[in-house]
Amino acid sequence: EAGVTQFPSHSVIEKGQTVTLRCDPISGHDNLYWYRRVMGKEIKFLLHFVKESKQDESGMPNNRFLAERTGGTYSTLKVQPAELEDSGVYFCASSRTVLNFNEQFFGPGTRLTVL
Amino acid sequence: AQTVTQSQPEMSVQEAETVTLSCTYDTSESDYYLFWYKQPPSRQMILVIRQEAYKQQNATENRFSVNFQKAAKSFSLKISDSQLGDAAMYFCAYRSEDFGNEKLTFGTGTRLTIIP
Repeated sequence: EAGVTQFPSHSVIEKGQTVTLRCDPISGHDNLYWYRRVMGKEIKFLLHFVKESKQDESGMPNNRFLAERTGGTYSTLKVQPAELEDSGVYFCASSRTVLNFNEQFFGPGTRLTVL
Repeated sequence: AQTVTQSQPEMSVQEAETVTLSCTYDTSESDYYLFWYKQPPSRQMILVIRQEAYKQQNATENRFSVNFQKAAKSFSLKISDSQLGDAAMYFCAYRSEDFGNEKLTFGTGTRLTIIP
């Protein structure tokens, strides 16, 4: 079974540009999560999809960030326009929906550098 | 809001020795999960061990065990017989038990180095 994949692995852009990150969850996983780690700090939750619906988007920092999950499969996270403080590693995770505990499986992350 | 604190940015241990990574958390909830995740260099983060707050018994997974002190809100990870493959960033994380509230709250991580 393939794991969670993310594309690109690295992205370097200039302030003001737009970047789109992609996450492909494990097949059959209805839940998809985005997290971000700014250098040296904790990994912070951004949002949670259940299929194509946003279950929790309380961690989205501002309206420059737009997440979509059309069709309930892969997800994209667009940053427009990018700012210096958006630099960091963006992680995606997915999980099944079960009655009790559902383990989140993480992707390798996308390292975003905004110059 | 919940918070997770890892006070050791870096730790090192001799191969085959035992090391303990510290984690404290703050929450007003009574039911929750606690986790330790491991992220090896340039690789995906994987779940090492989890603890349900309602369980008094400490979780164990092979060489990995936890010391869960609910009243003190402490959740340390002990790695026995350390191996070179244990070198990684270790993150402590919290999750509410509420169905639908599945976000993980992480600490800042501890970088573990294994000395051959």
